[in-house]
Amino acid sequence: QVQLVESGGGVVQPGGSLKLSCAASGFIFSHYDMHWVRQAPGKGLEWVAFIRYDASNKNYADSVKGRFTISRDNSKNTVYLQMNSLRAEDTAVYYCAKDSGVGAHFDSWGQGTLVTVSS
Amino acid sequence: EIVLTQSPATLSLSPGERATLSCRASQSVTSYLAWYQHKPGQAPRLLIYDASNRVTGIPARFSGSGSGTDFTLTISSLESEDFALYYCQQRSNWPITFGQGTRLEIK
Repeated sequence: QVQLVESGGGVVQPGGSLKLSCAASGFIFSHYDMHWVRQAPGKGLEWVAFIRYDASNKNYADSVKGRFTISRDNSKNTVYLQMNSLRAEDTAVYYCAKDSGVGAHFDSWGQGTLVTVSS
Repeated sequence: EIVLTQSPATLSLSPGERATLSCRASQSVTSYLAWYQHKPGQAPRLLIYDASNRVTGIPARFSGSGSGTDFTLTISSLESEDFALYYCQQRSNWPITFGQGTRLEIK
């Protein structure tokens, strides 16, 4: 059974940094692309970042490009999201999501971790 | 960026009724469109991928159709657990985008 568990959320001041982790189990992690998706309070879902199964390719939403970095450690079955220069508009629940394997549709999601950017 | 527009924003129906949710893309996404169900406090759940493929374990009352720019999610006979938010999502072009959602509420 696929399980994705996010951690690392919390309250941070504008301009600060935070690193999210997502521990995966129940599937061969090194075979699958992974994503981060977020949901701001009262808003819809927004895709944030993608990393290929072997980390050979990454992609970002324009709203986070240059500030966020996605990475993975296949030996630890974990994907990360390093978030720098945080802004109030980055406040959201951040989900990690497993790629379906047939393309960027997300067939498993974690429960999410809340990031609040506030002074 | 491909913009996905979902309609209606809110759909009020009773259990047993048929629900029809629409997703329109600003340009063709061929068949690279998925539908998700999202309930408060839970992780989103993939229902349909590539326009019409139902995920294993999803009840047969859920079906997807469409191609190009116009897509539909149909729930043939609503059950109480189907009342939730529904999002469409395209993977045709970067960046990946979601629609703004349709809230399916009990009438």
